[in-house]
Amino acid sequence: GAGVSQSPSNKVTEKGKDVELRCDPISGHTALYWYRQRLGQGLEFLIYFQGNSAPDKSGLPSDRFSAERTGESVSTLTIQRTQQEDSAVYLCASSLGWDREKYFGPGTRLTVT
Amino acid sequence: EDQVTQSPEALRLQEGESSSLNCSYTVSGLRGLFWYRQDPGKGPEFLFTLYSAGEEKEKERLKATLTKKESFLHITAPKPEDSATYLCAVQAAGNQFYFGTGTSLTVIP
Repeated sequence: GAGVSQSPSNKVTEKGKDVELRCDPISGHTALYWYRQRLGQGLEFLIYFQGNSAPDKSGLPSDRFSAERTGESVSTLTIQRTQQEDSAVYLCASSLGWDREKYFGPGTRLTVT
Repeated sequence: EDQVTQSPEALRLQEGESSSLNCSYTVSGLRGLFWYRQDPGKGPEFLFTLYSAGEEKEKERLKATLTKKESFLHITAPKPEDSATYLCAVQAAGNQFYFGTGTSLTVIP
């Protein structure tokens, strides 16, 4: 069946520009997560959506980062005024619930020049 | 402080040489421990979930075990296609989810 998909797969942007990353979760998965993975480092939690509840934004590194999700479907992660330290792979995952295994998308590689 | 530590950081094995990867954790109220495999340029792929000490799960050449302080991923007679980074993640009470930094496994033919 269809897994988690993300777009674009690669994004190169200039410092100071805004970028929007998209995630399509597995159908029926109520939970959706965004993670950041810098080169050679572990996964860093950014934000978590569960159904129609208020999202857990505790991992967002600054107010330049925001995310939205419409119901139990597509989510977008927006980074405003990008900085070079934002360069990383941004991974989206979905699951049937907060305590269930997560299924990850292939990621979006963001490069800020 | 909640923490997940994986060791070794990198491991090179000859094809057929069995070994184990370690994931040690200190979290308040373990809800589940997850193992993932990540190939270069791809997202992590789910392997196992373990919920309680003493639990074991197997899949092909992989076997995951769990104690109250750590989990092991045993790889029996590995093949080159088992080469990947193996990630451990822990779900703690309060819905906190922590990933380790992974073990990079290379299996040499």
